[in-house]
Amino acid sequence: DTAVSQTPKYLVTQMGNDKSIKCEQNLGHDTMYWYKQDSKKFLKIMFSYNNKELIINETVPNRFSPKSPDKAHLNLHINSLELGDSAVYFCASSQAGLAGPYSYEQYFGPGTRLTVT
Amino acid sequence: QKEVEQNSGPLSVPEGAIASLNCTYSDRGSQSFFWYRQYSGKSPELIMSIYSNGDKEDGRFTAQLNKASQYVSLLIRDSQPSDSATYLCAVLPFSGGYQKVTFGTGTKLQVIP
Repeated sequence: DTAVSQTPKYLVTQMGNDKSIKCEQNLGHDTMYWYKQDSKKFLKIMFSYNNKELIINETVPNRFSPKSPDKAHLNLHINSLELGDSAVYFCASSQAGLAGPYSYEQYFGPGTRLTVT
Repeated sequence: QKEVEQNSGPLSVPEGAIASLNCTYSDRGSQSFFWYRQYSGKSPELIMSIYSNGDKEDGRFTAQLNKASQYVSLLIRDSQPSDSATYLCAVLPFSGGYQKVTFGTGTKLQVIP
């Protein structure tokens, strides 16, 4: 009964390949996020969806494309992988929305460690 | 100026002592503040949220917020070796609509047995 799950946990691939990461939450939250954590451990938001609608789209290469088929699922597809894409990618969810500041407590998945060689 | 600043550490404290972790933020209108704990190789875990000036206590953890000074801190009493982790401060800025939480770079805490 994991709250936020991600697959795969590890992803090793070569430059130029295309890969996807999947995320699912069973918390009933309306909002889901993708974060990238680099080797210096800085956690940077990439995208956020609220009820399948893209609400946050940070300055990220357009090789990264998120998709949310429903509010419990959020996927991340990465085209033409580059060495600099190597990082840990975290999915998170929260009840955030227009409900006010109290709903932004985020719950993270276990992460996907992507290594591009 | 970084939006959320933390001393990267490591902060070393002996077992049983009080660990004090500090965070400053630049957006004066920020309204929600969070502390996450991240063990090495694991995901961030929410341990405290604070929304009003003053102290909020939860077990051995106390979050302190001073909006006038744009300062939030986390105190860990009776520190245990299991508290050794990186602590991330996160801040939600003020404005309408959907917002993004900004994370600091984290402070690494080492509790020495």
